[in-house]
Amino acid sequence: GIQVEQSPPDLILQEGANSTLRCNFSDSVNNLQWFHQNPWGQLINLFYIPSGTKQNGRLSATTVATERYSLLYISSSQTTDSGVYFCAVGTNAGKSTFGDGTTLTVKP
Amino acid sequence: KAGVTQTPRYLIKTRGQQVTLSCSPISGHRSVSWYQQTPGQGLQFLFEYFSETQRNKGNFPGRFSGRQFSNSRSEMNVSTLELGDSALYLCASSLGGQGEKLFFGSGTQLSVL
Repeated sequence: GIQVEQSPPDLILQEGANSTLRCNFSDSVNNLQWFHQNPWGQLINLFYIPSGTKQNGRLSATTVATERYSLLYISSSQTTDSGVYFCAVGTNAGKSTFGDGTTLTVKP
Repeated sequence: KAGVTQTPRYLIKTRGQQVTLSCSPISGHRSVSWYQQTPGQGLQFLFEYFSETQRNKGNFPGRFSGRQFSNSRSEMNVSTLELGDSALYLCASSLGGQGEKLFFGSGTQLSVL
C-alpha cells in the first residue's frame, strides 16, 4: 500500500516563530488532507489540498502532486497551535492513509 | 450544522467481552469511515460505509465489524475483546464522493482490562 512519511517527528518552537512541516507519499493520490489533533483527541481538518496552494489565516499548505509531497506552513506560531499534525492521503473513495504525525510544541 | 457525534466518549471493558460504538455523521453526509488510533500503530483505517454498504475495508481481523443504517448512522462492533484493542476509535464522515474532505468526531476511548 501507499506509504506516507512526515517530518520532522517532533518540533519545539518559541511563540512567534515560523515552521514548515513536510509530508512525502509514495504513489499518486487523488486527495491529500492536513489535520491538527488537539490534546483532547479531536482531529480538525485544516486543508483539503490534492494539489496547489491554499491559505487560511496563519496557516498555508502546498501540494506538489507530481513530486509526491506536501508542505504545511505555520507562521507566527501560538501556544494553541501545539498538538499533532497529520497528513492523510487517499487513493480510493473512502479510505485514507495517515502519516505518523509531527508533534508540535509551542512554548510561551 | 451539528458535527460528527460519537458515543460513548469513554468505555471500559474486560477481555472477552464485546462492545458497540456509535457514530452519527454530519447531516447530508452519506459516507462514514472508522479509524483506530494507538500510540504504537498510529491511525489505521478499519472500514468505510456508503449507503449502507461496506465500500472499503482495512486489515483488521473479523472480530471488527460495522454497519450503516438508512439514516447514515453507523455502528462498529468488536467481539471477544483483547488487551491490544485498547485504543481511540475515531469516526469520520464525508459527502461520499471520490476522495472527499473528512470530518472527524471526538472519538471513543476504549480501555480493555
